[in-house]
Amino acid sequence: DTAVSQTPKYLVTQMGNDKSIKCEQNLGHDTMYWYKQDSKKFLKIMFSYNNKELIINETVPNRFSPKSPDKAHLNLHINSLELGDSAVYFCASSQGGFGNTIYFGEGSWLTVV
Amino acid sequence: AQSVTQLGSHVSVSEGALVLLRCNYSSSVPPYLFWYVQYPNQGLQLLLKYTSAATLVKGINGFEAEFKKSETSFHLTKPSAHMSDAAEYFCAVRTNTGRRALTFGSGTRLQVQP
Repeated sequence: DTAVSQTPKYLVTQMGNDKSIKCEQNLGHDTMYWYKQDSKKFLKIMFSYNNKELIINETVPNRFSPKSPDKAHLNLHINSLELGDSAVYFCASSQGGFGNTIYFGEGSWLTVV
Repeated sequence: AQSVTQLGSHVSVSEGALVLLRCNYSSSVPPYLFWYVQYPNQGLQLLLKYTSAATLVKGINGFEAEFKKSETSFHLTKPSAHMSDAAEYFCAVRTNTGRRALTFGSGTRLQVQP
C-alpha cells in the first residue's frame, strides 16, 4: 500500500487552464504538506495543514489554493496556469513531533505549454 | 530562522570509493536534521535523521551522518559507493520553535563512476 499517493503523476496542460492535484495518505498522520520542486531541484514549502487547519501559507500566488476535506486528504488547485508553474509538486505527511519523519509522495510532474 | 547549506551541487566518485556529502545548518535552537534521497523521477525517501539522541546516526543503504554542533555540520558518508547510490541527496532542518515543515538545502547530485 502506498503511504502517500498523488494523482495525476504526469500532467501536461495549456496556459490559462485550471487543474487539480489530489493527495491521500493512509498513515493516520495529522499534518500534510505541499512542496514545489523547481527545475533546479530546489524544494520549497507551499502549504501545510494540521488537522484540516491551514498552518503554513507561504508566499505563493493566489492562483494556488489548497483544500483539506479531511485529515487524510490534501488537494491543490491551480487556476489560470502559467508557464512558470511547470514544476514537480510533492505532497507529504507527518505526525506529531518535530523530530518525526515527513513522508513524501511520488510527485506530480506538471508541464504548462 | 533556520537554513541549510549543501556544499557542492555535484559530487562524482568511483564505485567502491568513499562518499562524503556536506551539509551545514544554521539554527538558533537545537535542530532536527534529515537526509533524504531522490532517485530519478521519484519522490523523496528518508535516509536518516538526527533528533538529539546519538550524534552518529546510521541510516539505510549503508549511509551514516555525524552531528557536530561545534561545526554546525551534518555530513553524510558511506564507506564504499555503489552504482545504485547515484541520485540527488537533500539535507533538511526543522526546529521545534519554527514551522512544522522541513527547510531543504539545494541538493547534491551524486554520480558514481564504474
